[in-house]
Amino acid sequence: RKEVEQDPGPFNVPEGATVAFNCTYSNSASQSFFWYRQDCRKEPKLLMSVYSSGNEDGRFTAQLNRASQYISLLIRDSKLSDSATYLCVVNGGSYIPTFGRGTSLIVHP
Amino acid sequence: EAGVTQFPSHSVIEKGQTVTLRCDPISGHDNLYWYRRVMGKEIKFLLHFVKESKQDESGMPNNRFLAERTGGTYSTLKVQPAELEDSGVYFCASSPRTTGYEQYFGPGTRLTVT
Repeated sequence: RKEVEQDPGPFNVPEGATVAFNCTYSNSASQSFFWYRQDCRKEPKLLMSVYSSGNEDGRFTAQLNRASQYISLLIRDSKLSDSATYLCVVNGGSYIPTFGRGTSLIVHP
Repeated sequence: EAGVTQFPSHSVIEKGQTVTLRCDPISGHDNLYWYRRVMGKEIKFLLHFVKESKQDESGMPNNRFLAERTGGTYSTLKVQPAELEDSGVYFCASSPRTTGYEQYFGPGTRLTVT
């Protein structure tokens, strides 16, 4: 089983739609969780840290479920500019970041 | 504030040659990380510096890879001799703290070994 697993997609949604991604992790000792966004041929950029209590930033909501070992990202009212690859990053007990392969989102008019 | 910079942006070399990649982290960031993304795969951790010291190099593929961070500022990653499987995008990232904190990525160096 991979340490961090994501559905590669692509998720193809119309503008204005709500879309959700999940990411599962295998190391129960994981301490920190993040969602990064990566545009084509660009570097990853932090979208959100994921806190135990869940957190929201505008149209984006992140949740952590430690019991089932997954994190989620919900995007409401999708915009064309949200089209990108969303990377799940988990810091295990050794604090080495482990990346998922990413989930591709395509928002169309 | 200047971001993380990497040089070169692209490098095409022949198998057996040597290539040196450079990373300049954000000023004041003690933590510097190297990653590699091979086509179709996830980004993989290579190593982590805290200032000039190697904190963790467990992700380095083999002894053909040598990373340095003299003086705790910029870092270099040398591949000698390069093999075909070394092709990929090499990202550098920096962070002001070690744990639970955002990492700022550079634009990456796209290495092609032919």
